[in-house]
Amino acid sequence: GENVEQHPSTLSVQEGDSAVIKCTYSDSASNYFPWYKQELGKGPQLIIDIRSNVGEKKDQRIAVTLNKTAKHFSLHITETQPEDSAVYFCAASKTSGTYKYIFGTGTRLKVLA
Amino acid sequence: DSGVTQTPKHLITATGQRVTLRCSPRSGDLSVYWYQQSLDQGLQFLIQYYNGEERAKGNILERFSAQQFPDLHSELNLSSLELGDSALYFCASSVAGGQNTGELFFGEGSRLTVL
Repeated sequence: GENVEQHPSTLSVQEGDSAVIKCTYSDSASNYFPWYKQELGKGPQLIIDIRSNVGEKKDQRIAVTLNKTAKHFSLHITETQPEDSAVYFCAASKTSGTYKYIFGTGTRLKVLA
Repeated sequence: DSGVTQTPKHLITATGQRVTLRCSPRSGDLSVYWYQQSLDQGLQFLIQYYNGEERAKGNILERFSAQQFPDLHSELNLSSLELGDSALYFCASSVAGGQNTGELFFGEGSRLTVL
């Protein structure tokens, strides 16, 4: 069945450094890849997404890259700040047929001041 | 505030009992998703409804059931509860459910503790 693997499970970086989180998916029909940020005590919130017709997307300090051939996508956060500390989830979905929104296992990011 | 309302926020019950979790989606959203998040675990997809009909099913136990009502709110029923059912249960909603995948808006979750 559909599966999304996410690495690393935890990541600690110094403030100002970059952070990279990687995901791979199994269903080649997936064509929508969002990233969610979950702060303590809250529900996940979308921070950026990418569709399969695009290889890279940027929004200020965050960017996502997609390699459809290899079936993996990555989240890049530059110039990290303490408020970036949270759990980040990748997800994969598709826009036709049976419609499941499958999440990765999450990455706990700690930005050290 | 995502606009998705989940009740109750916290629930403590005993093994063998049955509970109902409720979700009101954002105004205008037709799809409702249910996810289970256990301690240090990811978001496990349980089930999705679109405009009252079941659209997709994940690893939902037979002891669990859900439905979406005509007013689009949804309920997740958990019965014969076991200790391992203790988790945070999230509801999410989106406008889409068919051909146009989009952003999910999550509620703040219902934390279930089974003693």
